[in-house]
Amino acid sequence: DTGVSQDPRHKITKRGQNVTFRCDPISEHNRLYWYRQTLGQGPEFLTYFQNEAQLEKSRLLSDRFSAERPKGSFSTLEIQRTEQGDSAMYLCASSHPAGEQFFGPGTRLTVL
Amino acid sequence: DQQVKQNSPSLSVQEGRISILNCDYTNSMFDYFLWYKKYPAEGPTFLISISSIKDKNEDGRFTVFLNKSAKHLSLHIVPSQPGDSAVYFCAASVGEKLTFGTGTRLTIIP
Repeated sequence: DTGVSQDPRHKITKRGQNVTFRCDPISEHNRLYWYRQTLGQGPEFLTYFQNEAQLEKSRLLSDRFSAERPKGSFSTLEIQRTEQGDSAMYLCASSHPAGEQFFGPGTRLTVL
Repeated sequence: DQQVKQNSPSLSVQEGRISILNCDYTNSMFDYFLWYKKYPAEGPTFLISISSIKDKNEDGRFTVFLNKSAKHLSLHIVPSQPGDSAVYFCAASVGEKLTFGTGTRLTIIP
């Protein structure tokens, strides 16, 4: 079973460093989403792609955040100059158009 | 601005009884509602959904009810089983973006 996979599962970094996360969606899904979840909260939408096109970005996605999906398959989320407030679980999901979103296990980021 | 609210952070239910999880929303533009279940160290798992044109959807032990006039939905699990112990998130969408509640931790007591 090839569900949504994310790498790494955990990342610890120092404030000011750059980090990059990868998401591999379910192979036949052309939509890919990024969410962020902090302690005690539900996931919050960051951005989504249809194939390689980034169609919507949340106000939560500051200039330090950038997401790409260059070939319409896997996606990367980069955070530049990390801050302690960036510590969270970063979740990726994929779907067919108008289908339910299936989530990966997430990448837990800790910024020291 | 919390558009989707789950006012009960936790709920304990005896095994075999009915579990009822509640969710309220404020945005009348939401047209699709979902429930996700989350175990520790895993991503949310899709459970059941309902379109705004319906008031009930059933899948095995899980039933979701939607009351549009009250902007309220609920998830019924019957009978509850120990494996149902998890955090349950209600989510709503208009377009592609899901808006989640803060979750309810359900504990099934054997």
